[in-house]
Amino acid sequence: DADVTQTPRNRITKTGKRIMLECSQTKGHDRMYWYRQDPGLGLRLIYYSFDVKDINKGEISDGYSVSRQAQAKFSLSLESAIPNQTALYFCATSDLAGALETQYFGPGTRLLVL
Amino acid sequence: GQNIDQPTEMTATEGAIVQINCTYQTSGFNGLFWYQQHAGEAPTFLSYNVLDGLEEKGRFSSFLSRSKGYSYLLLKELQMKDSASYLCAVRSYNAGNNRKLIWGLGTSLAVNP
Repeated sequence: DADVTQTPRNRITKTGKRIMLECSQTKGHDRMYWYRQDPGLGLRLIYYSFDVKDINKGEISDGYSVSRQAQAKFSLSLESAIPNQTALYFCATSDLAGALETQYFGPGTRLLVL
Repeated sequence: GQNIDQPTEMTATEGAIVQINCTYQTSGFNGLFWYQQHAGEAPTFLSYNVLDGLEEKGRFSSFLSRSKGYSYLLLKELQMKDSASYLCAVRSYNAGNNRKLIWGLGTSLAVNP
């Protein structure tokens, strides 16, 4: 079973719609992250959370919001989707207790905003 | 500023050796990661260097020189399945002394028969 799961895996929506992408993990990690990846722009951090009561903006948080419902769950919302939010979205987790604090990624959600 | 540079694309032949370079300029260096990402899939962790020198892990090795701000990933005995993007990421400190991960844009490696 995958340690980091994302739902949905693919989503097509229309401009102006509100959508939520969900991430769950069974790794027991405290830290969770949302990235988007666009061709030529690489991975860009949207939001991150170091524990349930902690939410931090990344480099491109405008137009997005997040909720850390539990240690294992971290959701990303697009309040009013726009076409330039079309991208591949990844959730990741890491464990500060581990010396490396390696980030482990979910399988990704491919989002198309029409 | 903080930035990471790596070549955009590389090609190599099956069975050969390829070296993918990464140079970085960051504050408060705290480790360098290499990830592999197949098209449309998630990045997966390959290696980590925090001290100078070579780390070997099977067919893959990673080298770090902190004084030069330089790392490379060496792939030996290339296989077709090694065709992927290779991402270099550096962990540094931000203004609040919190660690953050800075990602390169990735090097797309094509392995030809």
